[in-house]
Amino acid sequence: DVQMTQSPSYLAASPGESVSISCKASKSISTYLAWYQEKPGKANKLLIYSGSTLQSGTPSRFSGSGSGTDFTLTIRSLEPEDFTVYYCQHYNEYPPTFGSGTKLEIK
Amino acid sequence: EVKLLESGGGLVQPGGSMRLSCAASGFTFTDFYMNWIRQPAGKAPEWLGFIRNKANGYTTEYNPSVKGRFTISRDNTQNMLYLQMNTLRAEDTATYYCARSSWKRDYFDYWGQGVMVTVSS
Repeated sequence: DVQMTQSPSYLAASPGESVSISCKASKSISTYLAWYQEKPGKANKLLIYSGSTLQSGTPSRFSGSGSGTDFTLTIRSLEPEDFTVYYCQHYNEYPPTFGSGTKLEIK
Repeated sequence: EVKLLESGGGLVQPGGSMRLSCAASGFTFTDFYMNWIRQPAGKAPEWLGFIRNKANGYTTEYNPSVKGRFTISRDNTQNMLYLQMNTLRAEDTATYYCARSSWKRDYFDYWGQGVMVTVSS
């Protein structure tokens, strides 16, 4: 299975700041990478697919980049509702696998 | 509005069986692949498998980690997805989610809110 290594596990920032989350694959996955947002009591939300394509409804302050093995989720001008957990997931082959998550906390 | 609602979770003894259900609404059910994903507390999500759409013959794929113990099925007349879990182990304890995906797009554009399964004596 492709291992997805996500970092950091925890990240503290203030509203208005920008942050980046890294996701590294154990082998090349082209751009077959998605990012999700997890909030307590809510269904997980797809933010980005194909490495950099925003899902409909994803605010433009979110962006994704990368290809091959190294990917980044960037959130500009953090809003209060952005402080939650984020996961990456590859879908280059079966089984698709997820990163271990990044919890974004308010500083 | 797309909605996915899981049900059927709870406490089960090791070695036991359980069937989870997922009620889908707000989209043409037969057009989409339907997946089961689980997440133990504090750990990464794990894809369990999917059942393909009508165009791809409703065939299934499973994660090797559960193949042979778990079975995914669907009732397209009721817009229902099912996960039959047999020979359950403590390590199957997790929140179980159904999620939608599409042909050649193995990411999950809609998820349910999940149902908790606890395997314990």
